[in-house]
Amino acid sequence: GQQLNQSPQSMFIQEGEDVSMNCTSSSIFNTWLWYKQDPGEGPVLLIALYKAGELTSNGRLTAQFGITRKDSFLNISASIPSDVGIYFCAGMGNNNAGNMLTFGGGTRLMVKP
Amino acid sequence: NAGVTQTPKFRVLKTGQSMTLLCAQDMNHEYMYWYRQDPGMGLRLIHYSVGEGTTAKGEVPDGYNVSRLKKQNFLLGLESAAPSQTSVYFCASSPLTGGRNIQYFGAGTRLSVL
Repeated sequence: GQQLNQSPQSMFIQEGEDVSMNCTSSSIFNTWLWYKQDPGEGPVLLIALYKAGELTSNGRLTAQFGITRKDSFLNISASIPSDVGIYFCAGMGNNNAGNMLTFGGGTRLMVKP
Repeated sequence: NAGVTQTPKFRVLKTGQSMTLLCAQDMNHEYMYWYRQDPGMGLRLIHYSVGEGTTAKGEVPDGYNVSRLKKQNFLLGLESAAPSQTSVYFCASSPLTGGRNIQYFGAGTRLSVL
């Protein structure tokens, strides 16, 4: 099946630093989604991307849909302690009956105050 | 708003026991999904449903069964639990609208099989 490679697997940063993570795929996607999972909770949608090249922001978060449609990145600026969690990318391909997603393995973010 | 609700939140089973996980959504979504989450492996799709009365296999369906008798509910069953099924299980739902569909997740069920 389709595979999404998400990197890095984990990051330990100082509060105030910027963060960058990305996902790459061997297949083309027509939708990229970025989710955040807080400890003990389910994933919550952060940003949705629907067009190649699209750049979308949500507060301190910015995500881009790669031109090749095989990658996406997420940036977090000026990190704060509540940014701690696991960030997942997810892609949805064409002709997808059922809106099924393929998920990356996640990036675990730890922020030191 | 409740959104997607999963019960129970935690469960411990012995090998060979059976159980059913319940997912309920109050958003009138057509699509529903069951995933399992294991360390370093992201979310893997077990089964899904595109409407009431329909189900289909996902990436890792073996050892699980599902039913969607009512639109708002999606049940995941383990007939004979195995230690390999120790995991965190997430249910999600998605609306039937063109082009911009997003999955909404429940808080998860943490299952340990001893």
